[in-house]
Amino acid sequence: DADVTQTPRNRITKTGKRIMLECSQTKGHDRMYWYRQDPGLGLRLIYYSFDVKDINKGEISDGYSVSRQAQAKFSLSLESAIPNQTALYFCATSPQGPPYNEQFFGPGTRLTVL
Amino acid sequence: AQSVSQHNHHVILSEAASLELGCNYSYGGTVNLFWYVQYPGQHLQLLLKYFSGDPLVKGIKGFEAEFIKSKFSFNLRKPSVQWSDTAEYFCAGPVSGNTPLVFGKGTRLSVIA
Repeated sequence: DADVTQTPRNRITKTGKRIMLECSQTKGHDRMYWYRQDPGLGLRLIYYSFDVKDINKGEISDGYSVSRQAQAKFSLSLESAIPNQTALYFCATSPQGPPYNEQFFGPGTRLTVL
Repeated sequence: AQSVSQHNHHVILSEAASLELGCNYSYGGTVNLFWYVQYPGQHLQLLLKYFSGDPLVKGIKGFEAEFIKSKFSFNLRKPSVQWSDTAEYFCAGPVSGNTPLVFGKGTRLSVIA
């Protein structure tokens, strides 16, 4: 399903580097989300946005920032990457109207911080 | 805080065995509940969802789940698993229409031939 795309798919970087992960969607959804997945911890919400002018912190926002450039684009930045940010990152979208909460996921970005 | 709990971290079954994965949520209001599946190396896909009505919901690939309000549970079931069901399963639920999904920590299912 190419409706939600993420770039890059894999990235290896060094401690202290700035990294941007990008998410684009063609589903026409207003709501977008960034999660990270770690083994045994499930998915944890980093940031979410219900429309272009709306940005909200999630459970684990420290060390991350986001930008909602357009309805279809939502980027996640790591200003100064650290090794414990090594994880699988997923972008997701959901519609504004019912069913609000059904989320559609991108393919993920595997980030390794050395 | 609202939460979603999955009790089984890793389940190992033989092919044709029956499956039940537990999920409990903590929230007293109207709930919308989901089960997602993540096959190895892939992204999360929706298995089934409950919004209202019949508490027994059927999803793809022969999966079903039963919403039991009195037990705050939404357990996933399948009568006969296949090797291709090997995956990680996530229960998820919001607290309202304006909050993001909260995911359980996942249950890894390994089906052996």
